[in-house]
Amino acid sequence: NAGVTQTPKFQVLKTGQSMTLQCAQDMNHEYMSWYRQDPGMGLRLIHYSVGAGITDQGEVPNGYNVSRSTTEDFPLRLLSAAPSQTSVYFCASSIRGPPGSGANVLTFGAGSRLTVL
Amino acid sequence: SQELEQSPQSLIVQEGKNLTINCTSSKTLYGLYWYKQKYGEGLIFLMMLQKGGEEKSHEKITAKLDEKKQQSSLHITASQPSHAGIYLCGAVYNNDMRFGAGTRLTVKP
Repeated sequence: NAGVTQTPKFQVLKTGQSMTLQCAQDMNHEYMSWYRQDPGMGLRLIHYSVGAGITDQGEVPNGYNVSRSTTEDFPLRLLSAAPSQTSVYFCASSIRGPPGSGANVLTFGAGSRLTVL
Repeated sequence: SQELEQSPQSLIVQEGKNLTINCTSSKTLYGLYWYKQKYGEGLIFLMMLQKGGEEKSHEKITAKLDEKKQQSSLHITASQPSHAGIYLCGAVYNNDMRFGAGTRLTVKP
């Protein structure tokens, strides 16, 4: 029972490089989302998806792309990394989206720590 | 999140002491979630409050929701080192979940 799996756990990039943070869940959750966590600012929503083929922007979407071709996977792409994107990234999912009703609780991955030099 | 403010930002308590963390929303609350994050790890769901006046407890942690004040409090009784971590409140606005900046709790043995 893996839950939400994020890879890699750690990554160092140079400014301008591109990379993809992977997120996979095995709970058949419809809703998936990406957050970044920065000191003093808490968690900020980057992008979210309410189902395969559907994505939408959150609070801080600039510099990030997402796609949702399957229910299980929700990768986050950085096309041209910038030092301001140094952060810890969390992927989360819930049974149906958006979260907020009944037992529809967000389950989080362990996080991916990204450093952009 | 600008919608949710937590206080205090950090808290250091002696083991065995009680403590309270507050979460205030700038918008109407339709539900409030509490999560705990251990250092360097993901978030673990603690409890969810949906109705004004609702109070829930899990082991030594109690959370209350005051809908009129748009506020929730998390109270820990007889704190233990295992309670240490970052506590975050979350709420749903405009169909997505936002979080407060978190309260970092240190429990000294």
